[in-house]
Amino acid sequence: GQQLNQSPQSMFIQEGEDVSMNCTSSSIFNTWLWYKQDPGEGPVLLIALYKAGELTSNGRLTAQFGITRKDSFLNISASIPSDVGIYFCAGSYSNYQLIWGAGTKLIIKP
Amino acid sequence: DSGVTQTPKHLITATGQRVTLRCSPRSGDLSVYWYQQSLDQGLQFLIQYYNGEERAKGNILERFSAQQFPDLHSELNLSSLELGDSALYFCASRVGTDPNTEAFFGQGTRLTVV
Repeated sequence: GQQLNQSPQSMFIQEGEDVSMNCTSSSIFNTWLWYKQDPGEGPVLLIALYKAGELTSNGRLTAQFGITRKDSFLNISASIPSDVGIYFCAGSYSNYQLIWGAGTKLIIKP
Repeated sequence: DSGVTQTPKHLITATGQRVTLRCSPRSGDLSVYWYQQSLDQGLQFLIQYYNGEERAKGNILERFSAQQFPDLHSELNLSSLELGDSALYFCASRVGTDPNTEAFFGQGTRLTVV
């Protein structure tokens, strides 16, 4: 079946640094979604991508839908303490169920 | 606040027991999804209901079952509990069934089996 590889698994960064994470799929997707899960909360949608090559920003967050339709990345610029949490990618093809990545845990070094 | 309500927030129970987790979707949302998140793991899709009917099944064990009631709230029943069932269980809702639209998640129920 379809699989999503999300990397890195975790990141330790300094406040103010830029962050980059990505997801790759074994097959093509029509949609890529990026969610963030704050500690003790459920995931919340950050950015949705619907077209190959699409680049979308949401404040300091930027995500891109890869040209091959098999990958997506999320960048966070100038990280701040409230960026900590787990970032999930999720993808789908047509109306099939979303496939979720395993998450990237972002930890900011004090 | 996502508008999705899950109860209870925490649950501690013994192996072999049965528990029921409850979810109230956002007002107007017809689809309810259940997910399991083990420690430091991603989300594992369990089951989806749409307007009272089962729509899709994921990696849900036979010991687990769910239903969606006429008022659209949903319950996830976990029986013959094992230590490995300890996890966060999330409910999510969306208006329809299109997975490309935003799903709204509850805060989850943390189940601890001892």
